[in-house]
Amino acid sequence: ETGVTQSPTHLIKTRGQQVTLRCSSQSGHNTVSWYQQALGQGPQFIFQYYREEENGRGNFPPRFSGLQFPNYSSELNVNALELDDSALYLCASSPARQTGQETQYFGPGTRLLVL
Amino acid sequence: GDSVTQMEGPVTLSEEAFLTINCTYTATGYPSLFWYVQYPGEGLQLLLKATKADDKGSNKGFEATYRKETTSFHLEKGSVQVSDSAVYFCALSERGGTSYGKLTFGQGTILTVHP
Repeated sequence: ETGVTQSPTHLIKTRGQQVTLRCSSQSGHNTVSWYQQALGQGPQFIFQYYREEENGRGNFPPRFSGLQFPNYSSELNVNALELDDSALYLCASSPARQTGQETQYFGPGTRLLVL
Repeated sequence: GDSVTQMEGPVTLSEEAFLTINCTYTATGYPSLFWYVQYPGEGLQLLLKATKADDKGSNKGFEATYRKETTSFHLEKGSVQVSDSAVYFCALSERGGTSYGKLTFGQGTILTVHP
């Protein structure tokens, strides 16, 4: 069984640029959530995707957007990058809702540095 | 809103010492509770979970009991090893919320175990 994978592992961008991060969910999982983890802090929920639609959002501005594809993989897009966007971005997938199993399984993360 | 508070850290122990990391939570409903572990440079790994009051989650010698009356989920291990050195996160997810299984994390506790 393949776990959650993310790409790229590391990324360096400059302020004002745009970035796209990618996530492949674990086999059999149809819900994907994204989290931002600033250095020395706990992860913060950005949003969740289910059936290719956004299904809940945390306290993040609209320049954070996402997509989910028919194969349940997902992208996180961040426009107009700011220095404070430097963080580890974590993707988590969870099993189909009808199983009642809401546990989220995390990928290794993408470390983004904005200069 | 939901929140999770972990004990102030970091925690430094000698090998074979007893470990306790305190975690308390605030939630409007009846959440599921989790402990995740993060090794240096990696994503989050699920350590254990409990889904209802008085449940005990356990894994790799770690245990935590869901205490509804004290809204706590303290992590314990009887004898720590150097390989347990990592950051430990307590988290909750509300059932029936907009975002299925969305996690709210504590700030994390750094554990360092010396030989």
